[in-house]
Amino acid sequence: NAGVMQNPRHLVRRRGQEARLRCSPMKGHSHVYWYRQLPEEGLKFMVYLQKENIIDESGMPKERFSAEFPKEGPSILRIQQVVRGDSAAYFCASSPTIGLAGIEETQYFGPGTRLLVL
Amino acid sequence: LAKTTQPISMDSYEGQEVNITCSHNNIATNDYITWYQQFPSQGPRFIIQGYKTKVTNEVASLFIPADRKSSTLSLPRVSLSDTAVYYCLVGGEDSSYKLIFGSGTRLLVRP
Repeated sequence: NAGVMQNPRHLVRRRGQEARLRCSPMKGHSHVYWYRQLPEEGLKFMVYLQKENIIDESGMPKERFSAEFPKEGPSILRIQQVVRGDSAAYFCASSPTIGLAGIEETQYFGPGTRLLVL
Repeated sequence: LAKTTQPISMDSYEGQEVNITCSHNNIATNDYITWYQQFPSQGPRFIIQGYKTKVTNEVASLFIPADRKSSTLSLPRVSLSDTAVYYCLVGGEDSSYKLIFGSGTRLLVRP
């Protein structure tokens, strides 16, 4: 059973370009979460999606960032007109049901996409 | 979710036991304590979870005193491959799905 897959693993963009990050959850998982990690910091929640629905995007910047999880295919985190401050590692996690903090092995994380904006 | 405080970094040598303590003074009655491990260039990985007293699995032990205001992750006989960042999280079944990671503890295991 493959784990959470993310691609690309590394992405380099120039300021003003678009970045598309993809996440394929574990088989049977219909809940997806995106987190961002700046250097030397912990992960910060961005958005929580279920198939075809955005449940909570409170951690995502209001502008330039969007996320989707279509009925078919991976979840996509899209960053338009990237700026240098967007450089970070972006992690996707998935769970079979809602992944609450008090439940063991609640969310399974992918290896992340490291975005570098030049 | 309760705020947690951990040492920024720790050094150890191969074969030693490592204990990492996390403070969570405002832990709620329904909160569990969960530890994650993150290797460089990888996502966090669940290690262990507990509510009170002691929990042990094949990877680590977790000690939680009666007042639950702190917890200690114990790694027996560490190896070089245990070099990682260790995060302590608290939350309960009625908590958010927004896992809150602090800055974690960077453990460096030396030969």
